[in-house]
Order: sequence, then C-alpha cells, then structure tokens
Amino acid sequence: DSGVTQTPKHLITATGQRVTLRCSPRSGDLSVYWYQQSLDQGLQFLIQYYNGEERAKGNILERFSAQQFPDLHSELNLSSLELGDSALYFCASSTIGGEETQYFGPGTRLLVL
Amino acid sequence: DQQVKQNSPSLSVQEGRISILNCDYTNSMFDYFLWYKKYPAEGPTFLISISSIKDKNEDGRFTVFLNKSAKHLSLHIVPSQPGDSAVYFCAASGNNFNKFYFGSGTKLNVKP
Repeated sequence: DSGVTQTPKHLITATGQRVTLRCSPRSGDLSVYWYQQSLDQGLQFLIQYYNGEERAKGNILERFSAQQFPDLHSELNLSSLELGDSALYFCASSTIGGEETQYFGPGTRLLVL
Repeated sequence: DQQVKQNSPSLSVQEGRISILNCDYTNSMFDYFLWYKKYPAEGPTFLISISSIKDKNEDGRFTVFLNKSAKHLSLHIVPSQPGDSAVYFCAASGNNFNKFYFGSGTKLNVKP
C-alpha cells in the first residue's frame, strides 16, 4: 500500500459528460502528479501541483483541469468526455516534488461509452 | 512524440536466469532515469534509478546500465524470480523532477 488513495476505482459514463477524479496523497506529501494511461500506452504526464499551486504541465487537454486543495487532496476534472478519454488515470505524490521517488495510487479506470 | 520508448512489449524468462529490459530515449537533456514495476490492479512502484552522470547503479538483484552516447538504458534482474513477473516501465526526468516521461512498458513473465 503506497498510502496514496484514489476514488472512485471505476467509473463508467457517457460521451459529453463530466467527471471528477479524486486523489489523496501520502500523509505529509505536498506534491501531486496526474497521469493518463491509455490502452497499451505508457503513462502520459498531465499535470503537477505543489502545495496548492500548479508547478508543471504536460499534455493535458483543455477539457481537463485539476486543482489541489488546502488539505492537499487533488481533483482531476474531465469534461466533454470523448471515447478516447477512456483510460487509467493515476495520481502520484512525493514529499516536495523535487525528488525522484513518486508514490502511485491504484488508479481510476474510466470508461466512456 | 514519444521521448521514452520500450520497444519490447513482452519478455519471457526462465526462473534463475537473467532478465534484460531495454529502454531508449531521444532527449539528451534528461538527467535521471528510473524504472518502475507494476502489478495488475496496482499503481507503479519505484524500483531503481540512475543519474545521467553514472553508467551503472546496482541494488540487490537489480542493476540499471546507462549508455548516454546510444541514449539507451537497460534493467538487469539476476536471478529472475516468479515474483518479478510484472510490467516494467522506464521513465526519464530533468533534474527538477517536475515532469516524468514514461515508456509504454514491458511485461515480464518469469516461468518457474
């Protein structure tokens, strides 16, 4: 158990809808990363937050947004969903975001029908 | 554009033998390279890393080799054990660790 929790574990929704994925980092970790893993693909870095502030951005679509709250949990919002958004979404946390080791949650599997 | 590539989707090895997983990258500015291991229904877990100023890093049965001129790294597992069966991801980052670039993974099967 990495100490990182993600909810929900599974999510099935329809095209055009909006969903929110939630991540609670390990106790004491200030930095949160979000990744998308599509079928047979590697993990694609989406965005990083550190202590509530956006620190780095990857290939995150404009339809996607994220935030980190004062209690350090983070949410990833996906809107106007398309079939191609079906993927595993991982959250990872690290102490200050400037070290090599990230701790990953178990992921949220999103299926868009 | 995929900056980190793992060209072998799968690898099968006999227990006790060596497993060699390969990874190639295109960006010469990467400062750190990492290997993660992932079991089904779990998130990836950090395994071993190497700085770009080194060419080898060893941790128990796991050794990572870096060839900067070829932009290639490999993970050696000796001896391989059935519990090593998992998907292995190679990743790379700059020295600020703000962004990580992952390969598509290699599924290792260690046969008893």
